[in-house]
Amino acid sequence: QLQVQESGPGLLKPSETLSLTCTVSGGSIRSASSYYWGWIRQPPGKGLEWIGTIYYSGSTYYNPSLKTRVTIFVDTSKNQFSLKVNSVTAADTAVYFCARLEGFEYWFDPWGQGTLVTVSS
Amino acid sequence: QSALTQPPSASGSPGQSVTISCTGTSSDIGAYNHVSWYQEHPGRAPKLIIYEVTKRPSGVPDRFSGSKSGNTASLTVSGLQAEDEADYYCSSYAGSKSVVFGGGTKLTV
Repeated sequence: QLQVQESGPGLLKPSETLSLTCTVSGGSIRSASSYYWGWIRQPPGKGLEWIGTIYYSGSTYYNPSLKTRVTIFVDTSKNQFSLKVNSVTAADTAVYFCARLEGFEYWFDPWGQGTLVTVSS
Repeated sequence: QSALTQPPSASGSPGQSVTISCTGTSSDIGAYNHVSWYQEHPGRAPKLIIYEVTKRPSGVPDRFSGSKSGNTASLTVSGLQAEDEADYYCSSYAGSKSVVFGGGTKLTV
């Protein structure tokens, strides 16, 4: 059964760079041509926000509102994909989820448990 | 790309039915049938319960059903059970390989 799990620092200061990694287990990140890999975040008490998506080949797609600060990249040798967000502020405080995206019908499954990232001075 | 609009809360008694709406635009829900719904219990990963407007993944009870009319999608939970109390989020493809989510609805049973 495919699983995904986020990892990375939970506390950052304003202006630092957020770096998270999602490890895929129980299957290959290259396993099927229709699957992409995505990052979603959820600020405390708020709804979900799509951050961006990557294909195993490295093609990326970003939320226009975050595009200037976000980079997603993939390491197929480690079965991982990663997220970087530059110049973080308190508004980037959120639970960050990684998930597999079905690329024809656009649904996310499975999701990781999520990791809380807090930005505070 | 604006968030889809969901009511903040919904409620029903055990055994009753409740419907949660999700309103988008002609650029997302109105343009594609790629609408999905997720159930999120506190502290747990979101779970896919509906995809492609009406389809249920294996293992999801048939008490959960989805529909769409124009720019609005809906999730109906029939025969409410205590374990259905959770947050529910809709999502839609919005073109150019982008995805948009709703603000979430807290369902109280």
